[in-house]
Amino acid sequence: GEDVEQSLFLSVREGDSSVINCTYTDSSSTYLYWYKQEPGAGLQLLTYIFSNMDMKQDQRLTVLLNKKDKHLSLRIADTQTGDSAIYFCAESIGSWGKLQFGAGTQVVVTP
Amino acid sequence: DAGVIQSPRHEVTEMGQEVTLRCKPISGHDYLFWYRQTMMRGLELLIYFNNNVPIDDSGMPEDRFSAKMPNASFSTLKIQPSEPRDSAVYFCASSPDRNQPQHFGDGTRLSIL
Repeated sequence: GEDVEQSLFLSVREGDSSVINCTYTDSSSTYLYWYKQEPGAGLQLLTYIFSNMDMKQDQRLTVLLNKKDKHLSLRIADTQTGDSAIYFCAESIGSWGKLQFGAGTQVVVTP
Repeated sequence: DAGVIQSPRHEVTEMGQEVTLRCKPISGHDYLFWYRQTMMRGLELLIYFNNNVPIDDSGMPEDRFSAKMPNASFSTLKIQPSEPRDSAVYFCASSPDRNQPQHFGDGTRLSIL
């Protein structure tokens, strides 16, 4: 069955780059997503990438997609304390756009 | 623009009571999704609608759970009777079509005592 895997925790120093990794299983996924969840809040869409792309950059965010290895990563440049949150990777599965989420990576930014 | 609006934000009730969660999707979005988030199971899709019609309810845990979408701007998720294991954060999300990102509400934090 479908499964999206992420590491559970990442600690990064303020100003450094963060890299959050994700592996997925459905090779037919058309879109892959990154969402951010702050405490007590809903999931905020950060960025997404279409499966025919290798990379997408949006200000401090860079998404890399390796379809061969089914590997997705999110790089946050110049990480700030406001970037502390849980980051979810998700893949679209099936023909109806259902999302399969990973367990989330908790990112803690230290001064 | 208004995002997905959920109410209430918090609900505390005793087991056995009926609980109704509400969602107003973003105007013009044809897809509506209900999720449940717990520490143990993460984010689970419960049910989703397309043009007010339930498409897939295979994630609904039991017959105690039901969801309706009487019109394009309103959906409810009902639990009757509620049990302590239903305690979770329930999210509603909507999207314009199946190939567009889903936008989430802030969730309802439900505690069943």
